[in-house]
Amino acid sequence: NAGVTQTPKFRILKIGQSMTLQCTQDMNHNYMYWYRQDPGMGLKLIYYSVGAGITDKGEVPNGYNVSRSTTEDFPLRLELAAPSQTSVYFCASSRTTEAFFGQGTRLTVV
Amino acid sequence: GQQLNQSPQSMFIQEGEDVSMNCTSSSIFNTWLWYKQDPGEGPVLLIALYKAGELTSNGRLTAQFGITRKDSFLNISASIPSDVGIYFCAGTRTGANSKLTFGKGITLSVRP
Repeated sequence: NAGVTQTPKFRILKIGQSMTLQCTQDMNHNYMYWYRQDPGMGLKLIYYSVGAGITDKGEVPNGYNVSRSTTEDFPLRLELAAPSQTSVYFCASSRTTEAFFGQGTRLTVV
Repeated sequence: GQQLNQSPQSMFIQEGEDVSMNCTSSSIFNTWLWYKQDPGEGPVLLIALYKAGELTSNGRLTAQFGITRKDSFLNISASIPSDVGIYFCAGTRTGANSKLTFGKGITLSVRP
């Protein structure tokens, strides 16, 4: 049972570099989400998607981009990494409300 | 953005004790969910609530959807060391398209 799979688990980026966080789910869920988690701050929604080809901004979208070309995949792109993007990133998917989360990607920008 | 309020930020209890934590909002929520996060892992769904007044159990965990639809609580009975973790409440509002709003979480420590 793979569920939601995120890669990589850890990454260190230099300021100004770019990278893509990968997320795939095998539950045929229409809804997918990207959250970031900072210590003591809960989870903040970055972007979400209600189905292939449809994406929308969440609470904290600046500095990020997403695409949803298939039901399974929802990659998150950082174009110009900044120290403020140091965080733990979680991808999630749901059929309706009950979201299932991946194990997270811990990103450090130095 | 709309926040769900969880306090205190940390709780310390003795193994075997019961603990209750609540989650409040100034807005009405249609769904309440409780998640637990272990260190280095993603949040895992514990209980989902869909109707005002609903009371649902999952083993030693019990959660209720407040009748005003602006709060929910989670109770853990007879705590054990593996209950340690961060407990998040989350909810959806009308028109939110299944987007979850999360509280900041409560870190629970259980002393053996």
